Amino acid sequence: DIQMTQSPASLSASVGETVTITCGASENIYGALNWYQRKQGKSPQLLIYGATNLADGMSSRFSGSGSGRQYSLKISSLHPDDVATYYCQNVLITPFTFGSGTKLEIK
Amino acid sequence: DVQLQESGPGLVKPSQSLSLTCTVTGYSITSDYAWNWIRQFPGNKLEWMGYISYSGSTSYNPSLKSRISVTRDTSKNQFFLQLNSVTTEDTATYYCATWGSSSHYAMDYWGQGTSVTVSS
Repeated sequence: DIQMTQSPASLSASVGETVTITCGASENIYGALNWYQRKQGKSPQLLIYGATNLADGMSSRFSGSGSGRQYSLKISSLHPDDVATYYCQNVLITPFTFGSGTKLEIK
Repeated sequence: DVQLQESGPGLVKPSQSLSLTCTVTGYSITSDYAWNWIRQFPGNKLEWMGYISYSGSTSYNPSLKSRISVTRDTSKNQFFLQLNSVTTEDTATYYCATWGSSSHYAMDYWGQGTSVTVSS
């Protein structure tokens, strides 16, 4: 299985700040990396697909980057509505493994 | 628009089988996509469990392979999860979701989730 290592586990930042979440794969996943946002009590929602592509309807304050084994999610100009847990996901091969999640809170 | 809705018992006894249904509306499960089951454990870890494709082929997480079965009823546009010999460690919220080339190899449609507790 491809292991996904996500950090940090939790993050607290102020409105207007920029934050970055990182995700490392145990092997090259060639950009087959998605990011999801899960708000409390809701289903996960696709945020970024193919490492860098913003999903329909998601704010342009979210951006993804990376290649090979290392990927990151940047959230610019934090809004209170960004409070959520964020997950990366390998979709190169099954089993489709997820990172352990990053819980974002607003100070 | 594609909509998915999970249903099934919220409480299952240890050693029994867990059976869930995902009802799909707005899209035929034989047209495209792989139709997935994912679960979220207490503590928020997500685990992909398996899928059945539009053609009927299946793929399972090796960690579950001996206990899991994903099947479908195309006449009802539903697909199903059966997980055998459950333990308390199978307590989770279970989601169904789509995946495939039409969705850029991402899970873009999800059900609202159904909570299952394994307890005697």
